[in-house]
Amino acid sequence: QQQVKQSPQSLIVQKGGISIINCAYENTAFDYFPWYQQFPGKGPALLIAIRPDVSEKKEGRFTISFNKSAKQFSLHIMDSQPGDSATYFCAASRTAGGTSYGKLTFGQGTILTVHP
Amino acid sequence: DTAVSQTPKYLVTQMGNDKSIKCEQNLGHDTMYWYKQDSKKFLKIMFSYNNKELIINETVPNRFSPKSPDKAHLNLHINSLELGDSAVYFCASSQRRDRGPNTEAFFGQGTRLTVV
Repeated sequence: QQQVKQSPQSLIVQKGGISIINCAYENTAFDYFPWYQQFPGKGPALLIAIRPDVSEKKEGRFTISFNKSAKQFSLHIMDSQPGDSATYFCAASRTAGGTSYGKLTFGQGTILTVHP
Repeated sequence: DTAVSQTPKYLVTQMGNDKSIKCEQNLGHDTMYWYKQDSKKFLKIMFSYNNKELIINETVPNRFSPKSPDKAHLNLHINSLELGDSAVYFCASSQRRDRGPNTEAFFGQGTRLTVV
């Protein structure tokens, strides 16, 4: 059972364009939604994260849009650069109750390629 | 200066062997994790320890045995290695908070395990 579904699997964007990656989740108990960026040979690194009490969060060129009723969230990369080429993972976590202890449930990943 | 360090980075071994992967974090976090990334780059949690206590065990075969000698170290021992164990294994750490999500999870560089 895939609790977090991510699309597209791969994305090619021209330099300066907008990259959009979408995720949908099933478990309404999730209340923390981070995005991770992974370069080849490296571990994932936190890019930006959002809690469901806000609908949008922006950090520099990266924006998360969150739709609680649709159980969807997306990552927008404005003015995409070749250095943004990496694999992006959405994730979800449950922070209240139980023994979640920061367990991250990841989407399948999106390989982003930004052409110069 | 490495926050989460894993050794070795690469591990090639024959089926049936027993091997260990070591992980250390110098961030002062109280929670550590093992994640497995398969050939399709899908990341899935295996184990989580909080203050040396096992709190998450995601139906991983009992050939996998994590050990946490102290809260800064989490090792993974794998018995009777199988071809399907080939993957990249990531160690991560975060700090539990009384309210809200754990702090950001920091990942190590990963250990690429190849079973031949």
